[in-house]
Amino acid sequence: AQKITQTQPGMFVQEKEAVTLDCTYDTSDPSYGLFWYKQPSSGEMIFLIYQGSYDQQNATEGRYSLNFQKARKSANLVISASQLGDSAMYFCAMSLSGGSNYKLTFGKGTLLTVNP
Amino acid sequence: DSGVTQTPKHLITATGQRVTLRCSPRSGDLSVYWYQQSLDQGLQFLIQYYNGEERAKGNILERFSAQQFPDLHSELNLSSLELGDSALYFCASSVGFSSYEQYFGPGTRLTVT
Repeated sequence: AQKITQTQPGMFVQEKEAVTLDCTYDTSDPSYGLFWYKQPSSGEMIFLIYQGSYDQQNATEGRYSLNFQKARKSANLVISASQLGDSAMYFCAMSLSGGSNYKLTFGKGTLLTVNP
Repeated sequence: DSGVTQTPKHLITATGQRVTLRCSPRSGDLSVYWYQQSLDQGLQFLIQYYNGEERAKGNILERFSAQQFPDLHSELNLSSLELGDSALYFCASSVGFSSYEQYFGPGTRLTVT
C-alpha cells in the first residue's frame, strides 16, 4: 500500500523568501505520480504541480518547483518568492498507475504561514 | 475555478437523516472521484466512477452510496447520518480512468448535529 508522509505540521516564512515543504512517499510500484495541492482557508483544493515517476527533470510551474529525489523517495515542494496569498494548507499526494484505480493518497498536510 | 461544480456548498442536518451531494465534472471528463476530509481521518478516497460504472472503492461506509448518471454528473448519498460523518466532501474529475491529474470541486461541507 502506498503512503505519504509530511513531517512538518506547520511552517513559517517571511514574505519574498523561498520555502521548502517536505514530502516522502512509500510505494513498491515503479510507476506513480506525485502531486501537490494547496488548500486555502476557504476550503477548495487547488492543483499546483505534478511529477511522474519516470520524468527525468523536476517539475516546475511558475513559482512552484518539485524537488524529486527518487532514490530517497522524496518529493519536496519549493515555493520561491513567497507571497501573503501563499498562506494555506499544502498537501502532498500520490497516485499509482496500473490496475483500475488512480485514487489519490494524501499526506496529513503542512500549514504554511507567510509573514509580512 | 477548476470547472468542477458541487452542490450544495453547505449542508446542516440531524443524526439519522439522509442527504445527497451532487457533483458535475469538468466538460469532457469521464471519471469522478469522491473524497472525504475530516479532522481525524484527513483526506480519504471514497469511490471512483468512470463513464457511469463504478471503478474502485476506498474507505466508503456501507451507509454511503454513489452513482454516476448518463450525463456524467454524480451523486453521493449518505444515510443514517452520524456525528462522525461531519466533514468536507470533495468531488474530483479527470479525463479518463487512468488520468493522473484530478481537478477538485469546491466541496460540500456537511455538518451533522
